[in-house]
Amino acid sequence: DTGVSQDPRHKITKRGQNVTFRCDPISEHNRLYWYRQTLGQGPEFLTYFQNEAQLEKSRLLSDRFSAERPKGSFSTLEIQRTEQGDSAMYLCASSLALARGTDTQYFGPGTRLTVL
Amino acid sequence: GNSVTQMEGPVTLSEEAFLTINCTYTATGYPSLFWYVQYPGEGLQLLLKATKADDKGSNKGFEATYRKETTSFHLEKGSVQVSDSAVYFCALTSYSSASKIIFGSGTRLSIRP
Repeated sequence: DTGVSQDPRHKITKRGQNVTFRCDPISEHNRLYWYRQTLGQGPEFLTYFQNEAQLEKSRLLSDRFSAERPKGSFSTLEIQRTEQGDSAMYLCASSLALARGTDTQYFGPGTRLTVL
Repeated sequence: GNSVTQMEGPVTLSEEAFLTINCTYTATGYPSLFWYVQYPGEGLQLLLKATKADDKGSNKGFEATYRKETTSFHLEKGSVQVSDSAVYFCALTSYSSASKIIFGSGTRLSIRP
């Protein structure tokens, strides 16, 4: 399977704990995106990388959130001091962005986070 | 800012019925428009897309036409199947916003046998 993969698929944690999620994009895709989806809503953009550079962060991404893509391949999203409001599905997507035009994003299965 | 408004669900239809899910958008410039589908227990999948006015995207019997004059991208299918039961998201991206996707809130579709 050469699609986008995410790990873990499910994470249950207690309030105040730190969690880290991993995303492996489709190989050779230069862009990687993180989104958050709460129940009954569409996904909301959090941040994206072009290769290893983080180029944009949403205002949704508080100081407790940090994302990295150290070698321009896989990415991690860490949430520190989790709160119950962080409970959501965290989606990763990747794309091959060309010089002109918009790119098509391919999504992973998501990591469902539950904060107790 | 850019936004997408789509028909609220849930929508329940009988098998072989005609489907329309309405979607309108607000965007600066010339966005690309998408329909994504989320089957139960699965991730988001791209269903179809259109990148310029009057383009028609189609896939698996679904169609949507990019209507710039009405800022709409309604999803249609002539004869739905039970296997089409899923949540459908209308979405847009624009080159000026680095292609981040703006999604609608989703429409849950249930098809009765």
